[in-house]
Amino acid sequence: SQTIHQWPATLVQPVGSPLSLECTVEGTSNPNLYWYRQAAGRGLQLLFYSVGIGQISSEVPQNLSASRPQDRQFILSSKKLLLSDSGFYLCAWSGKTGDRGYGYTFGSGTRLTVV
Amino acid sequence: GDSVTQMEGPVTLSEEAFLTINCTYTATGYPSLFWYVQYPGEGLQLLLKATKADDKGSNKGFEATYRKETTSFHLEKGSVQVSDSAVYFCALGRYSGAGSYQLTFGKGTKLSVIP
Repeated sequence: SQTIHQWPATLVQPVGSPLSLECTVEGTSNPNLYWYRQAAGRGLQLLFYSVGIGQISSEVPQNLSASRPQDRQFILSSKKLLLSDSGFYLCAWSGKTGDRGYGYTFGSGTRLTVV
Repeated sequence: GDSVTQMEGPVTLSEEAFLTINCTYTATGYPSLFWYVQYPGEGLQLLLKATKADDKGSNKGFEATYRKETTSFHLEKGSVQVSDSAVYFCALGRYSGAGSYQLTFGKGTKLSVIP
């Protein structure tokens, strides 16, 4: 069966420090991968998605970047964190065509607090 | 573009009360519709889904019917439990260009069930 792993679960980082959050998927190949952010009391904001290795689409201009160095690995990064980067970050995957109606499978999330 | 509107929360109910969380959508064509649930401190889990008009999704006592004529997908449960306390997200999904499956989420409705 397919599983998605996301780490770390919680992170406290000072302003101006770098960030690297990692997400990996097991049990499937060539997934679509997604990064979402959920600010406190807010809805879900799509940050990046990827349909293949090295292919990244950015939905919102910001202080973050994403990379997909391997088929089932998706990394969210920042060179210098801002206070406004605090939030709950969620990774998700979905299948390609033929998977209609199965939506996304989400990881357990990373709670990032920038201090 | 696609959009999802769900009722503002928070919603507070007594145990065994009837639950309705309204969700309406704007979209062209025939998207799939989903309800996701997020328990405190966790990622999102798929609760139920419907892929075409008049389909009824159901799971764990929750139900929602895909109503194309009213563009709605309201979530209902006949008797809520304290363990149902969570944030509920309505979402619309479709395949976009370049092999990407896009989910559009509502802002979420927080449900609190008191004993």
